[in-house]
Amino acid sequence: QVQLVESGGGVVQPRRSLRLSCAASGFTFIDFAMHWFRQAPGKGLEWVALISYDASNKKYGDSVKGRFSISRDDSKNTLYLQMNSLQPDDTAVYYCVRDPETTALGWSGGFAIWGQGTMVIVSS
Amino acid sequence: DVVLTQTPLSSPVTLGQPASMSCRSSQSLVHSDGNTYLSWLHQRPRQPPRLLIYKISNRFSGVPDRFSGSGAGTDFTLRISRVEPEDVGIYFCMQATEFPLTFGGGTKVEI
Repeated sequence: QVQLVESGGGVVQPRRSLRLSCAASGFTFIDFAMHWFRQAPGKGLEWVALISYDASNKKYGDSVKGRFSISRDDSKNTLYLQMNSLQPDDTAVYYCVRDPETTALGWSGGFAIWGQGTMVIVSS
Repeated sequence: DVVLTQTPLSSPVTLGQPASMSCRSSQSLVHSDGNTYLSWLHQRPRQPPRLLIYKISNRFSGVPDRFSGSGAGTDFTLRISRVEPEDVGIYFCMQATEFPLTFGGGTKVEI
C-alpha cells in the first residue's frame, strides 16, 4: 500500500541543523511532486516546502526560506528536508505529503497521502 | 497569502444530529484553470490529517456520504448529516489554488 515514513526528528539546540528523511513506497515516486508540512504543538497546519517530480522546481514558505532545503533521491524513493539555523519556532511535527494525483479529470488538489510525522524540538 | 478563516472555533455536537462549519477565504479560490482547490481534512489527536473533501464538494474515496461540502468563490461549508462518535476531532479547510498553500485555523468538533 501507499506509505510515507518520516525519520530524523529529535531534540536540537537553536541555530543547529537537522535533516529529515521520508521513505516512500507503494507508488511510483518519480511521478509525483512531494511536500513537507508541519504542525506546531497544539497549533494548526503549515505548508513548508514543495519539490517537483523532477526536482526542477522548489518552493518554500516564507518562514523557512533561506534556511530549509528540500531535495529528493529518486534512486532511494526518499524525500529530504535539510533544516539549518533552527529556531524554537520550528518546533513541530513534520509531515511528508505526496502531491495529489492527476487523473483524466485533472489535478484533484486533495492531499490524501500523509506520513505519520516526525517530531522536531528546538530547545537549549 | 490567502487567509482562510474558519468558524466556529469549537462546535459541541450531539450524536446523530447534523453539524456544519464554515471556511471563508480572503480572496477568490478560483484557479486560472477554472477549478477551485478548496479541500477539507479531519484530524484526530496524534494522527496525521485525513482528506475528506477536495475541490469543494468531491468526497475522497472511502469517506462516508454523511460528509458533504459546498460553496463557491470565497465561502465554503462542510456539513455532517448525522454526527458519529468517530467524527470528533479538528476539521481544517485548505486551499491549493495558489502558493503558499494555506490552512484555516480549524474547527474543533466535540460531543
